[in-house]
Amino acid sequence: AQKITQTQPGMFVQEKEAVTLDCTYDTSDQSYGLFWYKQPSSGEMIFLIYQGSYDEQNATEGRYSLNFQKARKSANLVISASQLGDSAMYFCAMRETPYSGAGSYQLTFGKGTKLSVIP
Amino acid sequence: DSGVTQTPKHLITATGQRVTLRCSPRSGDLSVYWYQQSLDQGLQFLIQYYNGEERAKGNILERFSAQQFPDLHSELNLSSLELGDSALYFCASSVSRGNEKLFFGSGTQLSVL
Repeated sequence: AQKITQTQPGMFVQEKEAVTLDCTYDTSDQSYGLFWYKQPSSGEMIFLIYQGSYDEQNATEGRYSLNFQKARKSANLVISASQLGDSAMYFCAMRETPYSGAGSYQLTFGKGTKLSVIP
Repeated sequence: DSGVTQTPKHLITATGQRVTLRCSPRSGDLSVYWYQQSLDQGLQFLIQYYNGEERAKGNILERFSAQQFPDLHSELNLSSLELGDSALYFCASSVSRGNEKLFFGSGTQLSVL
């Protein structure tokens, strides 16, 4: 089973509107972290937002917020007031308990959602 | 700018050849991670080094190897290259003391012809 599922291969949003990118995850760990990264056409991976499994409040970073629903294993990214520069691939990722030993924090990524912002 | 430096940005080579990708982590970061991004496989974790020692292995082929040097920079060596090795190779770094994020470099685009 996939650990990170992003069901929307592509999304369109009108400039200045809000958009929600879906992410569901699968883990049996109690302690884990969820991340969203943005990859513009230039290729670099840009960190957007982080949510820890024990965080009681949803994370927010500027126009980005993470709608964390633990019981549903859902970690959707909400982008408010979309801008043309938001057009990019968006990846949801999860860090699970480091069974490989202390200091091991590799991420498992979903397949991504391509967001296109329309003027 | 993430602070993680990867060189070269682009690499074009032929099948059967060997290449070395280089990564300098952010100042103070002890962990270096290597990821491969391809259209069919997406982002795949390859290997992690922590303070010079291999810490975790992912889907890394036997033809690939990596190391982290005393100054904490890392190199990923890819040998006996095949067409299917063409991909974007990312290096990421972190302090690795808790739930902190990974900082990614801008990647090395490898094309095997």
